[in-house]
Amino acid sequence: DGGITQSPKYLFRKEGQNVTLSCEQNLNHDAMYWYRQDPGQGLRLIYYSQIVNDFQKGDIAEGYSVSREKKESFPLTVTSAQKNPTAFYLCASSTPRGGDTQYFGPGTRLTVL
Amino acid sequence: DQQVKQNSPSLSVQEGRISILNCDYTNSMFDYFLWYKKYPAEGPTFLISISSIKDKNEDGRFTVFLNKSAKHLSLHIVPSQPGDSAVYFCAASAKDGNNRLAFGKGNQVVVIP
Repeated sequence: DGGITQSPKYLFRKEGQNVTLSCEQNLNHDAMYWYRQDPGQGLRLIYYSQIVNDFQKGDIAEGYSVSREKKESFPLTVTSAQKNPTAFYLCASSTPRGGDTQYFGPGTRLTVL
Repeated sequence: DQQVKQNSPSLSVQEGRISILNCDYTNSMFDYFLWYKKYPAEGPTFLISISSIKDKNEDGRFTVFLNKSAKHLSLHIVPSQPGDSAVYFCAASAKDGNNRLAFGKGNQVVVIP
């Protein structure tokens, strides 16, 4: 069963703590992406990676960090520097070619108390 | 600056009738357009896409129309079904944009049985 998994579904953290969100895919896709969704908003790109050991900032990268050590995995760390971390976080993957569809995981709802 | 715009945030339609969702874009470099459907607390599901070399693409009950001169696309769902009640996102990518997607803010569709 090919797909993208994100864990956990719901995550609670205290303010000032870093937290890492997991994203794994077995679609053999080279490219992976992290988005953030806020109520009434579209999806905004945080970071993306076209290939292992390489990644680029998206539109709202401040306060976030990523790594891409394996093709299947693209974890996102929400650091204490992120001013409004409470949001719904979505991971996606695709081939890196333009014009290819991105497929999304189920998302992680992060709430910072 | 919002490169992809979806006005009329919500739409109510009777079951069996047509749902029409509209999307406008500003970036003339966009050449691939997608529609995603999203339920609350879930990841977006890919619905249908269209390349800029076409003006229409059809898949079952879903048809997407592209008017490049007007920088406008629309999604038609016919006949609408109660399971179509969801938020629909329009997205676009540019051929030289590393497959980065720009999303609209979404349209809430409610299909009334």
